[in-house]
Amino acid sequence: SQQGEEDPQALSIQEGENATMNCSYKTSINNLQWYRQNSGRGLVHLILIRSNEREKHSGRLRVTLDTSKKSSSLLITASRAADTASYFCATRSYNTDKLIFGTGTRLQVFP
Amino acid sequence: EPEVTQTPSHQVTQMGQEVILRCVPISNHLYFYWYRQILGQKVEFLVSFYNNEISEKSEIFDDQFSVERPDGSNFTLKIRSTKLEDSAMYFCASSEVPSLGGPTSYNEQFFGPGTRLTVL
Repeated sequence: SQQGEEDPQALSIQEGENATMNCSYKTSINNLQWYRQNSGRGLVHLILIRSNEREKHSGRLRVTLDTSKKSSSLLITASRAADTASYFCATRSYNTDKLIFGTGTRLQVFP
Repeated sequence: EPEVTQTPSHQVTQMGQEVILRCVPISNHLYFYWYRQILGQKVEFLVSFYNNEISEKSEIFDDQFSVERPDGSNFTLKIRSTKLEDSAMYFCASSEVPSLGGPTSYNEQFFGPGTRLTVL
């Protein structure tokens, strides 16, 4: 698989439930960032986790990073209909400017 | 809250025509980027720009593409002779200069809303 593969590809849940999305990557990274994209819109930066960090929180978001497994997870707690969007992980390696994006998880939260 | 802006939101052009996509990065940011997303595909890096020169570019960014910072606020992407396969959403992003001695790689990149380019 390519750098930055999310699973599941699609996730449907009810409001109030938690949503967990996973991201795997192949090369060593400096940091990993999660973005949200509403349909046909821009990318909203959610959270950045550095390679020497294991967990980070921001409001209802919790991100974990396991560099030994080259994987990250994004947990959205107490989901809302407004959380409906696509979620992407993006990795940044050392000595490079570019972000490499994953394939994304489409999250649908039903009211 | 400061944000990256892009114009136009949608550009329709004929194959072979030149297009210029415009971006206004966040005012205290000095690193600028262009990415694109073909419908249904991943977001792909095109180019990064710092200190008035390209710092990195991808294989996609061939001689048909160029970037410029014509004044203190705008950052543009020009496609000289558009092809059908250039149809995509083009995103501009910017990141701030890190604190002295800080690694640039830690900086978040903030994205604009995108310009949808349709080549007919």
